[in-house]
Amino acid sequence: DIVMTQSPDSLAVSLGERATINCKSSQNVLSTSNNKNYLAWYQQKPGQPPKLLIYWTSIRESGVPDRFSGSGSGTDFTLTISSLQAEDVAVYYCQQYDNTPPRYTFGQGTKLEIK
Amino acid sequence: QVQLQESGPGLVKPSETLSLTCSVSGGSMNSHYWSWIRQPPGKGLEWIGYVFYSGSTTYSPSLRSRFTISVDTSKKQFSLMLSSVTAADTAVYFCASLATADMSFDHWGQGILVTVSS
Repeated sequence: DIVMTQSPDSLAVSLGERATINCKSSQNVLSTSNNKNYLAWYQQKPGQPPKLLIYWTSIRESGVPDRFSGSGSGTDFTLTISSLQAEDVAVYYCQQYDNTPPRYTFGQGTKLEIK
Repeated sequence: QVQLQESGPGLVKPSETLSLTCSVSGGSMNSHYWSWIRQPPGKGLEWIGYVFYSGSTTYSPSLRSRFTISVDTSKKQFSLMLSSVTAADTAVYFCASLATADMSFDHWGQGILVTVSS
């Protein structure tokens, strides 16, 4: 099975500072057919469903603030929040897609808090 | 804008069958794969499977045996059945739309907590 490992498990950052969350896949998520990394990031606030932030590693979903950015390739990926706002307190999940067989695997989550 | 809403019982007895329905509004049934994802209390997200409007299904290789997902395009609904439930199946069950191009879950229902208990 593919394993997605996020680090750290929890993170406390001061308002206005940068927050960085890492995600490592046990297998390459790069599709050789279209050279795209099928890696997405979600934000989940308490009592709410996850919200898609980023797909294809670095493409922001419509309406997502530009302080959120994604990067990486192959097996190592990063979600960066450039200037932390109070409303960014949440648990963040990475998710990969593999097509042989089709499966979708989430990381264990990273809890982001205000320092 | 796709909107999703789960419905079903919040309490199921051990060994019984869980049945949930997701109602779709604001989108076309052939625009996405229609998925189920669950989240045990205080834990992470687990993909269960999806159905396409044609009725074709794909399940998580590690979970597939007890799950059945189906679609009713005339009602704009899709459903999840889970047989022989145990306490380990207690979770919030989300329905979600899976974008066919980038394989991300772009819209989610609010989720429904299902507790397995006698």
